Amino acid sequence: AQKVTQAQTEISVVEKEDVTLDCVYETRDTTYYLFWYKQPPSGELVFLIRRNSFDEQNEISGRYSWNFQKSTSSFNFTITASQVVDSAVYFCALIERQTGANNLFFGTGTRLTVIP
Amino acid sequence: NAGVTQTPKFRVLKTGQSMTLLCAQDMNHEYMYWYRQDPGMGLRLIHYSVGEGTTAKGEVPDGYNVSRLKKQNFLLGLESAAPSQTSVYFCASRTGTGAYEQYFGPGTRLTVT
Repeated sequence: AQKVTQAQTEISVVEKEDVTLDCVYETRDTTYYLFWYKQPPSGELVFLIRRNSFDEQNEISGRYSWNFQKSTSSFNFTITASQVVDSAVYFCALIERQTGANNLFFGTGTRLTVIP
Repeated sequence: NAGVTQTPKFRVLKTGQSMTLLCAQDMNHEYMYWYRQDPGMGLRLIHYSVGEGTTAKGEVPDGYNVSRLKKQNFLLGLESAAPSQTSVYFCASRTGTGAYEQYFGPGTRLTVT
């Protein structure tokens, strides 16, 4: 069963618009960790945030914010006032404690294009 | 502090040839990982290591071997390359003390013809 679903394959927005990237996960473990990574056109993977299953507080970092809701198994990512430099593929990922926390299950990614 | 580095950045192989990809990290991380990234499939774990001298299979280990002789290095070998192994390969590492985020290298683009 797919553990991380990113239903939005591609999104295009005009610069300065807000955009939300959806992530839905599936796990039977009670202890797990969720992540967002950014892959810009240059190809490297950049860690953005980690959230553990016991911490449902939303987090804001500059123009980025994350909404974690266990009730809907979702960990959505919002970019406010998007910029061209935000254009990238964004991956949501999950680690389950019961599997030894070594298999980082990635979603298939959402390609965000910010149009100037 | 270079983080995670990978050698080479690009490589073209013919079917049946062998090669080794090198991953090095200077963060003193215990855990190291090899992933492959294919279009539309995200990243999938090939092999990983929880410490020097140890290795374990991930989700897609067939056709690959690994070695971790030194803590800072993790090698991925292809003994007899196949076109299905055309992919972008990423190495990652993390500390062993409860922070589970992995830090990735820049990737190696491998084409097998």
